[in-house]
Amino acid sequence: AIRMTQSPSSLSASTGDRVVITCRASEFMSTYLAWYQQKPGEAPKLLIYGASTLQSGVPERFSGSGSGTDFTLTISSLQSEDFATYFCHQYYSYPLTFGPGTKVDIK
Amino acid sequence: QVQLQQWGAGLLRPSETLSLTCAVYGGSFNDYYWTWIRQPPGKGLEWVGENTHRGRSNYSPSLKSRVTISVDTSKNQFSLRLTSVTAADTAVYYCVRGAVAQWFGDLSVVGWFDPWGQGTVVTVSS
Repeated sequence: AIRMTQSPSSLSASTGDRVVITCRASEFMSTYLAWYQQKPGEAPKLLIYGASTLQSGVPERFSGSGSGTDFTLTISSLQSEDFATYFCHQYYSYPLTFGPGTKVDIK
Repeated sequence: QVQLQQWGAGLLRPSETLSLTCAVYGGSFNDYYWTWIRQPPGKGLEWVGENTHRGRSNYSPSLKSRVTISVDTSKNQFSLRLTSVTAADTAVYYCVRGAVAQWFGDLSVVGWFDPWGQGTVVTVSS
């Protein structure tokens, strides 16, 4: 199974900050990667798929990049509604796996 | 807009069978991967498995011996059955639609997950 790691596991930031979250895969997976945002008590929400394609309706301050084994999710200017946990997900091979998550909270 | 609505028993005793159903409203039922994902309390996301309207199923290796995901195309519903549950199966269970990432002729590969159901809290306790 492809093992996904994320860094940092948590971070504190202020509104307006640029935030970068990294996801690393244990083996090559092309661009078969998605990012999700989850707020407490809610289901995850798709942000990005194909490593860099923004899901319809998602604000353009979110962007994704990377290929192979290293990927990043960037929030260009953090807004109050962005405080949440972010997960990466590989769909390159079975079993499908997720990163452990990165919690973004208020500094 | 596609919506998923799920239901099922939330409290189980050890060794019982977990049973959840998810109804799909709006959009096509064909050519997607109907998926279950779970999240233990305070932890990350775990893919349980998937099935398609053609009956092509895949399951997590760690759950394969206990899990069945079935699809009812006449009702636009799919279901999860997990036998012999233990406390380790306590989690929020989500039903999810898996997109097709790529087609290879008549064959497809699963992609990203969207949308998600509201989640069902399942607790296994004696």
